[in-house]
Amino acid sequence: EVQLVESGGGLVQPGGSLRLSCAASGFTFSSYWMSWVRQAPGKGLEWVANIKPDGSEKFYVDSVKGRFTISRDNAKNSLFLQMNSLRAEDTAVYYCARDREIATIQYFDYWGRGTLVTVSS
Amino acid sequence: QPVLTQPPSSSASPGESARLTCTLPSDINVGTSYIFWYQQKPGSPPRYLLYYYSDSNKGQGSGVPSRFSGSKDASANTGILLISGLQSEDEADYYCMIWPSHAVFGGGTKLTVL
Repeated sequence: EVQLVESGGGLVQPGGSLRLSCAASGFTFSSYWMSWVRQAPGKGLEWVANIKPDGSEKFYVDSVKGRFTISRDNAKNSLFLQMNSLRAEDTAVYYCARDREIATIQYFDYWGRGTLVTVSS
Repeated sequence: QPVLTQPPSSSASPGESARLTCTLPSDINVGTSYIFWYQQKPGSPPRYLLYYYSDSNKGQGSGVPSRFSGSKDASANTGILLISGLQSEDEADYYCMIWPSHAVFGGGTKLTVL
């Protein structure tokens, strides 16, 4: 059974940093692209970043470029999101998601339960 | 940043069908786009339902009932999620998604089963 379990969320002041983790199990983690997707309270979904299976390619939504860094440790079946210079608008539930591919198009077939990040003074 | 337009809300009665729409911006052709659909219930993560490209190229998520199906209306540049035989458990938010260069979601439709 595919399982994705996020951790590391919490309350942080504007300008602060936070590192999210996602523990994966039930599949060959090193074979899949992985993504972070967020959802602000009461709002819709927003893709944040994704990373190639070997970690050699990473992509970000414009609003987090230069502030967030996605990484992975295939030996530990773990995905990470380092978030720096946090802003109030980064407040959201952050989901870890497994990417699948169809004809070079990607989508998300499994999601974790998410971890809440609150940026507030 | 393309915007996918979904009606904020929709409602239907148990046993009826619900037709949820997702309109693509004019510069993206629905005919050459993969449309993905997700269901989200309160307090839960999104669940992948299905993708639709054409009648010969579509796929259902694991464990998703065949009551959920996709289609397109090319004249309206719109992707469609059809839920037949509505059940109370289908009450949820539904999001469409495309991937022009990265994932782009619609704003979601809250489906109420009356």
